[in-house]
Amino acid sequence: SQTIHQWPATLVQPVGSPLSLECTVEGTSNPNLYWYRQAAGRGLQLLFYSVGIGQISSEVPQNLSASRPQDRQFILSSKKLLLSDSGFYLCAWSVEGVRSYNSPLHFGNGTRLTVT
Amino acid sequence: GENVEQHPSTLSVQEGDSAVIKCTYSDSASNYFPWYKQELGKGPQLIIDIRSNVGEKKDQRIAVTLNKTAKHFSLHITETQPEDSAVYFCAAPVPPNAGNMLTFGGGTRLMVKP
Repeated sequence: SQTIHQWPATLVQPVGSPLSLECTVEGTSNPNLYWYRQAAGRGLQLLFYSVGIGQISSEVPQNLSASRPQDRQFILSSKKLLLSDSGFYLCAWSVEGVRSYNSPLHFGNGTRLTVT
Repeated sequence: GENVEQHPSTLSVQEGDSAVIKCTYSDSASNYFPWYKQELGKGPQLIIDIRSNVGEKKDQRIAVTLNKTAKHFSLHITETQPEDSAVYFCAAPVPPNAGNMLTFGGGTRLMVKP
């Protein structure tokens, strides 16, 4: 069966510090991968998605970047965190390619980031 | 692109009562509608989904109905229990592109009082 792992679960970072959040998926090949952000009490905002190694699409302009160095690894980064980067970050995967339309997203348990 | 509206934003029911959450969408080409349950401190988990070739789907106490003409779909939870308390999200797909992106509703916080 497929599993998705995110770490760390919680993170407190000062303004201006770098960020690296990691997500890995097991049990599937060439998944589509996604990063979402959820502000407190709010809905889910898509930040990035990837359909393959090195292929990243950004949905919103921001202080963050994403990379996919391996098939089942997705990393969310920032060089200098802002207060507004605080939130709950969720990684998700879905099946690949043309089979992906009309198929669900599967979420990890998220990383709660607090920028102080 | 797709726009998904979800109502109500909060819902409080007595244990044993039914709960209904409604969503509307804008893209008439959409044909897949999942529902997610998010418990505190966790990621959203898929609980049920429906495709447009059916009007209703049921899984034990949970059911989803779809009205493609009116472009709305609803989640029905019967005989609610305290463990049903969570935030529920509906979603609809962004038209086909390179990734399977979903647009989510704003969420409904369901509170089931014992």
